[in-house]
Amino acid sequence: GEDVEQSLFLSVREGDSSVINCTYTDSSSTYLYWYKQEPGAGLQLLTYIFSNMDMKQDQRLTVLLNKKDKHLSLRIADTQTGDSAIYFCAEGKLQGSYIPTFGRGTSLIVHP
Amino acid sequence: NAGVTQTPKFQVLKTGQSMTLQCAQDMNHEYMSWYRQDPGMGLRLIHYSVGAGITDQGEVPNGYNVSRSTTEDFPLRLLSAAPSQTSVYFCASSSEPTGRANTEAFFGQGTRLTVV
Repeated sequence: GEDVEQSLFLSVREGDSSVINCTYTDSSSTYLYWYKQEPGAGLQLLTYIFSNMDMKQDQRLTVLLNKKDKHLSLRIADTQTGDSAIYFCAEGKLQGSYIPTFGRGTSLIVHP
Repeated sequence: NAGVTQTPKFQVLKTGQSMTLQCAQDMNHEYMSWYRQDPGMGLRLIHYSVGAGITDQGEVPNGYNVSRSTTEDFPLRLLSAAPSQTSVYFCASSSEPTGRANTEAFFGQGTRLTVV
């Protein structure tokens, strides 16, 4: 199975909250990341969480980590049309390639 | 700073042709990598490098070669292009392994390659 799994699509109404979910398989992952990709562009780091944390908040973004279930989520409050993008979950490891492993990405569509 | 620069932005190749996708970074990063992005498949790692002179294969290395003669450059070579290599290619770099610190991977803008 895949190392990092995400659902492919999420559609929300402007002003609502969006929750993007991710599961990973490697319990040795030390850092977990969320990247955002806008149309026609490369990926940019949105936020990250260290594996010994349960939650991290950064303005409209809340990251929740359930290490027991290897489940990560990104909540975007008051979602705006400018939040429409592909969101990638990624895990960082101390073994193997040392290069992040990315999920398939979740396309977030925000409609008025 | 320019960050990570990829050239060209767009390319059309005929089946069997070879070409090199260029990637350069000006941040003195040791770790560099190439990914391909296909619809519904996310980012898949092709090759990566942990420093000048050191490269290794990722998840989907077949049909691609890399070399790392300098810290700054990490070119990706397509040996004999096939339609299955039609994709968007991204180069990324980071200063540390992503498991050691909250290290950001910096991405180029991508190269959109079509093989006909």
